[in-house]
Amino acid sequence: ETGVTQTPRHLVMGMTNKKSLKCEQHLGHNAMYWYKQSAKKPLELMFVYNFKEQTENNSVPSRFSPECPNSSHLFLHLHTLQPEDSALYLCASSLGDQETQYFGPGTRLLVL
Amino acid sequence: AQSVAQPEDQVNVAEGNPLTVKCTYSVSGNPYLFWYVQYPNRGLQFLLKYITGDNLVKGSYGFEAEFNKSQTSFHLKKPSALVSDSALYFCAVREPGNTPLVFGKGTRLSVIA
Repeated sequence: ETGVTQTPRHLVMGMTNKKSLKCEQHLGHNAMYWYKQSAKKPLELMFVYNFKEQTENNSVPSRFSPECPNSSHLFLHLHTLQPEDSALYLCASSLGDQETQYFGPGTRLLVL
Repeated sequence: AQSVAQPEDQVNVAEGNPLTVKCTYSVSGNPYLFWYVQYPNRGLQFLLKYITGDNLVKGSYGFEAEFNKSQTSFHLKKPSALVSDSALYFCAVREPGNTPLVFGKGTRLSVIA
């Protein structure tokens, strides 16, 4: 275990649903990240938070809405998703935003 | 902008043989280089990194990587492969300063008994 947990591990949702992904890190890190991993494609950085402030939004559609209430927790709120949003969503954390990143196990999302 | 290439989608090696997973990069300035491994239904696990210093970096599970500035490469190696090494391997690079970590598309390693 890396000290980064994600819930749920699997999620199936319809295009009209609203759901949230949760990430928690127990490493005392200050930076947290959301990545999208799709088959046959490199990891895509979505959002970066450093000391609870969003420092990176990599042109992500507004149907994905991140929230970072404190340095230990990160959420990704999902609404009106499309089938092409089906992927593995990975959370990561690092001590500072330039330090080594440690990943959670991911949430496998299927949008029907 | 920085970029990283993993030229092989798949690498097959017999158990006990040495393995190499290739990575080349392009950055402005000195690179920060990383290797991660992903087992099925798991997140990425950090293996090793090069920031500065000795060109040969040793990491977890007996893996090592050699930084070669002239060839802009950072190949991952292990002297004797295990079946349990079978996984997806990602190389990543970052430029100094406030820049994101950029990942390669991954190389699937299969170690055959």
